[in-house]
Amino acid sequence: NAGVTQTPKFQVLKTGQSMTLQCAQDMNHNSMYWYRQDPGMGLRLIYYSASEGTTDKGEVPNGYNVSRLNKREFSLRLESAAPSQTSVYFCASSYPGTSYEQYFGPGTRLTVT
Amino acid sequence: GDSVTQMEGPVTLSEEAFLTINCTYTATGYPSLFWYVQYPGEGLQLLLKATKADDKGSNKGFEATYRKETTSFHLEKGSVQVSDSAVYFCALKVRNNAGNMLTFGGGTRLMVKP
Repeated sequence: NAGVTQTPKFQVLKTGQSMTLQCAQDMNHNSMYWYRQDPGMGLRLIYYSASEGTTDKGEVPNGYNVSRLNKREFSLRLESAAPSQTSVYFCASSYPGTSYEQYFGPGTRLTVT
Repeated sequence: GDSVTQMEGPVTLSEEAFLTINCTYTATGYPSLFWYVQYPGEGLQLLLKATKADDKGSNKGFEATYRKETTSFHLEKGSVQVSDSAVYFCALKVRNNAGNMLTFGGGTRLMVKP
């Protein structure tokens, strides 16, 4: 089992460019999450998907969109990147009812210039 | 709203020293509490958890006790190793309409020197 995989690992964008961060899990988890990690601020939830076909906003959704493509895949899109979106992005997944144990991917380090 | 406060780092210790990383929380109801660890270049991993007051979570020599009276969940280890160098996150589980969400503290970086 690969667990949670994310692509790409690193990305540099110019302001105004768009991109999609990909996430996939092979653990048959129902719930998936996108976080951003900024120095001193811990992890902040951007969007989550409690189950296939549903998505909901987290703490910091502005500037992002998500797609739960199927049970395995949950993508995060930046339509018009801004320097404030420079961060490390983590995808995670969990079973419903046990979401305290979230399994994290290795992260995508995004720089917007 | 619910929140988690951790001591700021970095915490720098010599090998075999005693470790305490403080964590306090604010929550309505009775949350579950967790410590996650992030090793360099990796995602977070669950280290230990406690689901009710006075529970003690433990794993890999780390321990934390859920103290309702002081709303705390401090992480301790009796003798740290260089391999324990990582960032440690305290978190609590909140419930919303769609599921159980995690709220994380800001993280504490631990550096252990040989």
